Amino acid sequence: AQSVTQPDIHITVSEGASLELRCNYSYGATPYLFWYVQSPGQGLQLLLKYFSGDTLVQGIKGFEAEFKRSQSSFNLRKPSVHWSDAAEYFCAVGEGNNDMRFGAGTRLTVKP
Amino acid sequence: KAGVTQTPRYLIKTRGQQVTLSCSPISGHRSVSWYQQTPGQGLQFLFEYFSETQRNKGNFPGRFSGRQFSNSRSEMNVSTLELGDSALYLCASYYGQSTDTQYFGPGTRLTVL
Repeated sequence: AQSVTQPDIHITVSEGASLELRCNYSYGATPYLFWYVQSPGQGLQLLLKYFSGDTLVQGIKGFEAEFKRSQSSFNLRKPSVHWSDAAEYFCAVGEGNNDMRFGAGTRLTVKP
Repeated sequence: KAGVTQTPRYLIKTRGQQVTLSCSPISGHRSVSWYQQTPGQGLQFLFEYFSETQRNKGNFPGRFSGRQFSNSRSEMNVSTLELGDSALYLCASYYGQSTDTQYFGPGTRLTVL
């Protein structure tokens, strides 16, 4: 069965520091992978997605993620975090948008 | 272009009642999906509608149902509410291909007392 694990429930980084949020998945076939961000009181916004091709995916707001099949990972990175990046981040796997499975989320706090 | 809208934004009900939530997708989008978000279970897929037909369904009891109208607007109904149904219910829409970008609404916060 497909599943997603986000090992870090909460991460705190200083503004300007680099960020990496971890995501591991279990999926029987080639997965479709997504990263979403949710600000308080808001819905989810898609940061980036991977279906096939280049394993390094560029997204919005300066985020990127790398698909590593050998490690079943799809980690999200950003070279320099801004205070406005404080939010909850969700990794998801699915057959495109069908029956998407989400991880538990990682809450990001940004210190000034 | 207007985003996905959900009404009402907040709702308080008591156990045993039923509730109907509404979702208006982005203009031109034919697919609408519903998700339940709770602190304990996280984000869980409820069902998806495409062109007025349920295309996919998650693992929820029959108390949870939905429908989609010819203008792609969708409603979700929960009958015989339980305390555990308290959650943020999110609606998302996309054009229809499974690889299209899915856009989420702000959600309806349901509290069951």
